[in-house]
Amino acid sequence: KAGVTQTPRYLIKTRGQQVTLSCSPISGHRSVSWYQQTPGQGLQFLFEYFSETQRNKGNFPGRFSGRQFSNSRSEMNVSTLELGDSALYLCASSLRRGGAANTEAFFGQGTRLTVV
Amino acid sequence: DQQVKQNSPSLSVQEGRISILNCDYTNSMFDYFLWYKKYPAEGPTFLISISSIKDKNEDGRFTVFLNKSAKHLSLHIVPSQPGDSAVYFCAAIDQGAQKLVFGQGTRLTINP
Repeated sequence: KAGVTQTPRYLIKTRGQQVTLSCSPISGHRSVSWYQQTPGQGLQFLFEYFSETQRNKGNFPGRFSGRQFSNSRSEMNVSTLELGDSALYLCASSLRRGGAANTEAFFGQGTRLTVV
Repeated sequence: DQQVKQNSPSLSVQEGRISILNCDYTNSMFDYFLWYKKYPAEGPTFLISISSIKDKNEDGRFTVFLNKSAKHLSLHIVPSQPGDSAVYFCAAIDQGAQKLVFGQGTRLTINP
């Protein structure tokens, strides 16, 4: 079956712009989580969506938002981009919420966002 | 507040030897732990996991040890192979809060 698909793979934006990233989870998976990966910070949790509702949120400013559609596809939006937002953004899908019930998450290849 | 910590950003090991990657956690509510492996330009892939009711789980060359009293887990790879060169992330699940938390990652390099 198809894996987790993230689009686009690479993106260059300028400060102040906004960006929307997309994630299509594995078929049948209802949970989509978003992570930011930067050198030295590991994978920082942004938020998780399950059944179109945000279930958990990390410690990121309100400029970071997301949503999930009825087909479980999720989008992440970052407004008023800052240089520090340059990172690899990963999404993960899983059957259940937040890694509950011992299920591992399956990750997409990520979107590399560069803010100049 | 880093609840899952991997204090070694990098580790270099000779091929054929044992690689030991360490991870510490602070949240006593974590009850399930996972290791992920990540190659450049790819998303992390699940490697091995352990429940808090166990102290060891083995899968081929990979063994994870959990010391709950010390809030410490480690991943042993033996023998190490060049294809093991990657970034390894430790992760922990708080099932009550339904949260999956990752460490910062350790870059493992296996030298031929």
